[in-house]
Amino acid sequence: DSGVTQTPKHLITATGQRVTLRCSPRSGDLSVYWYQQSLDQGLQFLIQYYNGEERAKGNILERFSAQQFPDLHSELNLSSLELGDSALYFCASSATGNLLDTEAFFGQGTRLTVV
Amino acid sequence: GQQVMQIPQYQHVQEGEDFTTYCNSSTTLSNIQWYKQRPGGHPVFLIQLVKSGEVKKQKRLTFQFGEAKKNSSLHITATQTTDVGTYFCAGRTSGTYKYIFGTGTRLKVLA
Repeated sequence: DSGVTQTPKHLITATGQRVTLRCSPRSGDLSVYWYQQSLDQGLQFLIQYYNGEERAKGNILERFSAQQFPDLHSELNLSSLELGDSALYFCASSATGNLLDTEAFFGQGTRLTVV
Repeated sequence: GQQVMQIPQYQHVQEGEDFTTYCNSSTTLSNIQWYKQRPGGHPVFLIQLVKSGEVKKQKRLTFQFGEAKKNSSLHITATQTTDVGTYFCAGRTSGTYKYIFGTGTRLKVLA
């Protein structure tokens, strides 16, 4: 158990809908990262938050948004869903947001299926 | 933008054979991390390399960071069936906060 909790584990929704994925980082970790992994693909970096503020942005679509709340949990909002958004979404957390970071701990992921 | 490529994409080995995956970045990296993802699982951190030319060992795994800090390798000696999974490198370019993951190498070990 990595200590990072993601909910829900599975999500099936229709095209055009909006969903929210939730992530609780390890206790004490200030950084939260979101990644998208399509079937048999690598990990695409979406966005990073550090202590409530956006720290780095990757290939995140305009239809997607995220935030980190004062209690450090994070939510990834996906709207106007398309079939191609079906993927495994991972959240990871790490202790700091410094350049020489410590390891990132990944959650179990949320498998999103858009039908 | 920054790209991190890994080769090979797939590797099948007989149990007991050695295995190496290579990670190449289009930009100089400040540090690089390696992760392992078992089938159906989530990435798990293996190691971080920071210094140019650094070599680190973990039992049968040897990690190297290139002198120019643009490439890295992971070598597994005498593979075991428990080594099955996808190995990812993740590099961070100096001056940025984000880690870019490599394309991954999927290792299959045949008993």
